[in-house]
Amino acid sequence: SQQGEEDPQALSIQEGENATMNCSYKTSINNLQWYRQNSGRGLVHLILIRSNEREKHSGRLRVTLDTSKKSSSLLITASRAADTASYFCATPSQGGSEKLVFGKGTKLTVNP
Amino acid sequence: EAGVAQSPRYKIIEKRQSVAFWCNPISGHATLYWYQQILGQGPKLLIQFQNNGVVDDSQLPKDRFSAERLKGVDSTLKIQPAKLEDSAVYLCASRPTSGTYNEQFFGPGTRLTVL
Repeated sequence: SQQGEEDPQALSIQEGENATMNCSYKTSINNLQWYRQNSGRGLVHLILIRSNEREKHSGRLRVTLDTSKKSSSLLITASRAADTASYFCATPSQGGSEKLVFGKGTKLTVNP
Repeated sequence: EAGVAQSPRYKIIEKRQSVAFWCNPISGHATLYWYQQILGQGPKLLIQFQNNGVVDDSQLPKDRFSAERLKGVDSTLKIQPAKLEDSAVYLCASRPTSGTYNEQFFGPGTRLTVL
C-alpha cells in the first residue's frame, strides 16, 4: 500500500510554539499533499509539494520533502489555538495517479 | 465560489436499515470522490467518478454499497443494508479535470451512526 504514515499520532503544544509533523511513505511519488481537518468538518487542502521540490512555504506553514528517505514534514510556526486540528498527508496511490491515499493523521492541540 | 455540499450532516439508523447520502460538487468539477473516514483514521476512497462514469470503485463493498452520478453533477451514495461497522463519516470531494496535481475540495461530510 502507498499509504503515508504520520508521526506523531498526537501533539500538544502551547500557543506561540512551533509544531512539526512528519509523514513517511513507501513508493515513488510525483507529489505529496497536506490537509487539515477541524473537528466535525471536512478536509481543507493546505499545501502541495512536487517531487522535484525540497521545500515549500505558505504563510506560517513550511513543508519539506526528502524523496531519498520517502518522508515529508509539515512545520507550523507561531501556532495559534485555531490551528488545533488533525493534519493528514496524502500521496498518489500509484506515482502520479489522481487517487489519493491518506495517512491516519496527527492530532494537534494548541493550548491558549 | 460555493463549496462542496453534502446532506444530511448527521444520520442515525439501526443495522439492516438503508441510508442514502447526497453530494453536490463544486460547479464545473468533473471528478467526484466518496470517502469513508472511520474515527481515528484517515479518509479511505470508496469510489471515484469522472463525469458520470466510474473510474475506480475497487474499495467499494459492492454487496451493500452503491453510488451513482447521474448527469455528471450530483451524486448519491447508498448503503443497504447497513452494518455496525459502517459507522463513519462519509466525505465527498471534487476536483477539476485540468492539471495533474490539483487539490481535492472536500464537503463537510455526513456522520453516520449505525446502532
